[in-house]
Amino acid sequence: DVKVTQSSRYLVKRTGEKVFLECVQDMDHENMFWYRQDPGLGLRLIYFSYDVKMKEKGDIPEGYSVSREKKERFSLILESASTNQTSMYLCATGTGFYEQYFGPGTRLTVT
Amino acid sequence: AQKITQTQPGMFVQEKEAVTLDCTYDTSDQSYGLFWYKQPSSGEMIFLIYQGSYDEQNATEGRYSLNFQKARKSANLVISASQLGDSAMYFCAMRVAYSGGGADGLTFGKGTHLIIQP
Repeated sequence: DVKVTQSSRYLVKRTGEKVFLECVQDMDHENMFWYRQDPGLGLRLIYFSYDVKMKEKGDIPEGYSVSREKKERFSLILESASTNQTSMYLCATGTGFYEQYFGPGTRLTVT
Repeated sequence: AQKITQTQPGMFVQEKEAVTLDCTYDTSDQSYGLFWYKQPSSGEMIFLIYQGSYDEQNATEGRYSLNFQKARKSANLVISASQLGDSAMYFCAMRVAYSGGGADGLTFGKGTHLIIQP
């Protein structure tokens, strides 16, 4: 079974803090994705990566950056957290066109 | 840019009835895939079914089928004989394949909250 883990299930941070959300997969997948999910908006793609040290902007990259130093780990970074970044963050991984396996999500609250 | 529209924010259905969840999409690309995901209250995203833009047959997976009408740009999910455990959020999504290989991430609709009543 594919296992996608996210570092925290719930996270509370203060405005202005630097926040790291970690995603780790154990299936040697090339592709990794970060989405945020908000009620009434569905999921929106923030960033994705097809290889180590490679990154591509998604639909809503503003206020975020990413890091992929190892194939199994894809980090989402909020350089200076703001209240409008309070959301559910979902990581996904896959290989090929058809697959995206999602992690359990991190519910981030910025106060 | 791609766009997915799900026009039913919420639906109530009696157990054992069939359910159709609507999805329309917009893209100028010729090669793409359409996906449906289920998200129960636990929050996990569960892949249900996939339809490729060049597939001539509608996709089926157990009780799930995808009614693909390419000319209308619609990809409705049909759940036969609904069960209480089908109560969840359902998301339609699409992904475009690049001509040189590779693809973007998924573009999702806003979702439909389906509640199955006993």
